[in-house]
Amino acid sequence: ELKVEQNPLFLSMQEGKNYTIYCNYSTTSDRLYWYRQDPGKSLESLFVLLSNGAVKQEGRLMASLDTKARLSTLHITAAVHDLSATYFCAVGKMTGTASKLTFGTGTRLQVTL
Amino acid sequence: DGGITQSPKYLFRKEGQNVTLSCEQNLNHDAMYWYRQDPGQGLRLIYYSQIVNDFQKGDIAEGYSVSREKKESFPLTVTSAQKNPTAFYLCASGSPGTDLNQPQHFGDGTRLSIL
Repeated sequence: ELKVEQNPLFLSMQEGKNYTIYCNYSTTSDRLYWYRQDPGKSLESLFVLLSNGAVKQEGRLMASLDTKARLSTLHITAAVHDLSATYFCAVGKMTGTASKLTFGTGTRLQVTL
Repeated sequence: DGGITQSPKYLFRKEGQNVTLSCEQNLNHDAMYWYRQDPGQGLRLIYYSQIVNDFQKGDIAEGYSVSREKKESFPLTVTSAQKNPTAFYLCASGSPGTDLNQPQHFGDGTRLSIL
């Protein structure tokens, strides 16, 4: 059974600081996703990582994938208040033409002024 | 604009009642999915469909049923057999077989509560 673990579960950080969210998974995957969720809202896609060593960056967020270690990281650079949200990683396994996602429990990020 | 439309936004279920959540997409995606999210937790897969008239159980299918009569539509019925239906339900779609870099796109969700 595929398990996806995120840590930390909750992160309070000051504006301007850097931090990393970790996502470990238990079996091989076809792709790794990062999503953002604001309170009471739906999920917004941030990154799709396909292969070992993949790195993607968008603004203050950078995601990487190490398939050998079964680890993905989401690095936050110089945090700002607008980044406050819950961040989920999800591991995708292809089955036919669908990609079944197994989600981590999420990391609630609070950026304080 | 292309997207996924879920309705209703809020739904209340009485004891012993079946309720149906609607999900429509105009993104021309092949695959559609239903997830359940409980407070403070991640999403869990209920059912998914790769093609019209075909669907498979996910991790927590008991007490739920689906249909896929049209490519655009994937309604979810929460039956009376689901004893703890209170949750946030999210529908998603995608075509990962044709675009490896494509994420699953999510609708705005339906909040279901028991009366």
